[in-house]
Amino acid sequence: QKEVEQNSGPLSVPEGAIASLNCTYSDRGSQSFFWYRQYSGKSPELIMFIYSNGDKEDGRFTAQLNKASQYVSLLIRDSQPSDSATYLCASPGGSARQLTFGSGTQLTVLP
Amino acid sequence: DAGITQSPRHKVTETGTPVTLRCHQTENHRYMYWYRQDPGHGLRLIHYSYGVKDTDKGEVSDGYSVSRSKTEDFLLTLESATSSQTSVYFCATAGGQETQYFGPGTRLLVL
Repeated sequence: QKEVEQNSGPLSVPEGAIASLNCTYSDRGSQSFFWYRQYSGKSPELIMFIYSNGDKEDGRFTAQLNKASQYVSLLIRDSQPSDSATYLCASPGGSARQLTFGSGTQLTVLP
Repeated sequence: DAGITQSPRHKVTETGTPVTLRCHQTENHRYMYWYRQDPGHGLRLIHYSYGVKDTDKGEVSDGYSVSRSKTEDFLLTLESATSSQTSVYFCATAGGQETQYFGPGTRLLVL
């Protein structure tokens, strides 16, 4: 069974710092990963997806995928208090593109 | 926002009673999913659908059933609610891409 593991945190960083969130996975066949952000009491929203090895940048967010080491990470540069949320990584698979989620990492950005 | 609504948004029920949660989407997405979210477990897939009347079990399907008679509606039924089914339930949809979009969630308390 596919497993996706996240360092559960919680993680606290000062405003303006880089927040690093990590995820490891068990299925070597996994081809892509999604990062969702979930504010307290709200539903998850997609912030990044990555399909290939290396880095993908979108504004202050950078997703990194290393298939050889089976990990994926999300870097948030110039962290803001509004980035405080739980971040979930997920890997799709199966006939209906089901997602397997990690347990999430709670990030707090301190002003 | 993929035009996903869930009803009810909050429900309190008693052990042993049947409960039906509704997910409605306006995006004509083929795939629909039901997840539950509990502290320390992230999001876990209950059931999913890959078309009208085509459904299958997810990771935590025991005690749940689903139906999809129209593209836009996906119903989740707890046949006989138990306290262990107290949770937040999220519906999600996906179209041609793998990206899943989430509804606002339903908070269910089983007493």
